[in-house]
Amino acid sequence: DAKTTQPPSMDCAEGRAANLPCNHSTISGNEYVYWYRQIHSQGPQYIIHGLKNNETNEMASLIITEDRKSSTLILPHATLRDTAVYYCIVREYNDYKLSFGAGTTVTVRA
Amino acid sequence: GAVVSQHPSWVICKSGTSVKIECRSLDFQATTMFWYRQFPKQSLMLMATSNEGSKATYEQGVEKDKFLINHASLTLSTLTVTSAHPEDSSFYICSASKGDLSEQYFGPGTRLTVT
Repeated sequence: DAKTTQPPSMDCAEGRAANLPCNHSTISGNEYVYWYRQIHSQGPQYIIHGLKNNETNEMASLIITEDRKSSTLILPHATLRDTAVYYCIVREYNDYKLSFGAGTTVTVRA
Repeated sequence: GAVVSQHPSWVICKSGTSVKIECRSLDFQATTMFWYRQFPKQSLMLMATSNEGSKATYEQGVEKDKFLINHASLTLSTLTVTSAHPEDSSFYICSASKGDLSEQYFGPGTRLTVT
């Protein structure tokens, strides 16, 4: 499995965009980048995933570099409810295993 | 859609007793369900994978005789912690996949405290 590297924590201001980086330099060609988040004492929540093109949904945008060695999750207008641990995971599309690393603890401040 | 529930949301049991946790997919059929464990300030660790009607596949280091998993229907999987001990106290989370395994939908978790 390709491993990911994320900063342990980051703060952002309410209403501003939050940019969460993830390095996955050993990602292979058939591996996707997935993002989940876990609000305190809850189960993880799927956010977005992508292969090589940038993706956007109602929650966030995912920007993947052209060499696919890193990506950025963008929360366009962070709210206090976005405070959570964010996990960047790489895996093959039908590989059931999700390997959760330490993630990034994001704290949104008013 | 794709809602997964767990019951109970929290449970306290005495050492040596067994406790059962249910995981249900409410609005879809889950061919595969997963059980994770999360200790305080740590990340989720996959314990086992279960497919409806067949035996669960356990991850290395997880005792199958202690953590009994039953996936009797396409909407229900149960995890039974047998002869629980204080070190089994943890947050247990299930997830379910519809079929292509590309996405897992997580339950809200069950907090187990063994006294």
